Amino acid sequence: GAVVSQHPSWVICKSGTSVKIECRSLDFQATTMFWYRQFPKQSLMLMATSNEGSKATYEQGVEKDKFLINHASLTLSTLTVTSAHPEDSSFYICSARGAADNEQFFGPGTRLTVL
Amino acid sequence: GQNIDQPTEMTATEGAIVQINCTYQTSGFNGLFWYQQHAGEAPTFLSYNVLDGLEEKGRFSSFLSRSKGYSYLLLKELQMKDSASYLCAVIDSNYQLIWGAGTKLIIKP
Repeated sequence: GAVVSQHPSWVICKSGTSVKIECRSLDFQATTMFWYRQFPKQSLMLMATSNEGSKATYEQGVEKDKFLINHASLTLSTLTVTSAHPEDSSFYICSARGAADNEQFFGPGTRLTVL
Repeated sequence: GQNIDQPTEMTATEGAIVQINCTYQTSGFNGLFWYQQHAGEAPTFLSYNVLDGLEEKGRFSSFLSRSKGYSYLLLKELQMKDSASYLCAVIDSNYQLIWGAGTKLIIKP
């Protein structure tokens, strides 16, 4: 199957700093990328959907100015958590979908801990 | 509204068979996925059903009835490594993926 990578795998930062997470599709072109957040023992929560070259569509309740998403190419999307706070500590997972696919391919996730 | 229902938790014995059910009410239907997720890891793809019937893949099988809005994931010859959460997800008419809350499967020796 298709491979999606995320970087970093984990990050610890101080409150008030910004953190950038990269999501790359390694062997296919991802026309659409999705960003999810998952708190412990809870299901995946979709944060936003981004199509290459256009602005991301954010889910209700997700602050677009706090979670900046850039999908600059068909193989790369980035999520920047600005002015991170302890309540932003979570497991962030990206997934990617090609033009001909219904299936989403998941990255390995990034665990963010804000102190 | 859109809704995916699956049991919160199930327990089964190593070597046995377990069936995890999923019912859905969505605006349109373009397929149903089952994913496996181990604690602290991202989900991994198990199966995709878009037509009615049973899809078998090794120890795992997935069934779909579109008229009933129902699917199940069948796991045979359970192994301890099968302890994980199993997520049911439906693609709606807008090609959005609607997720269930997941079923935590606990395997006992």
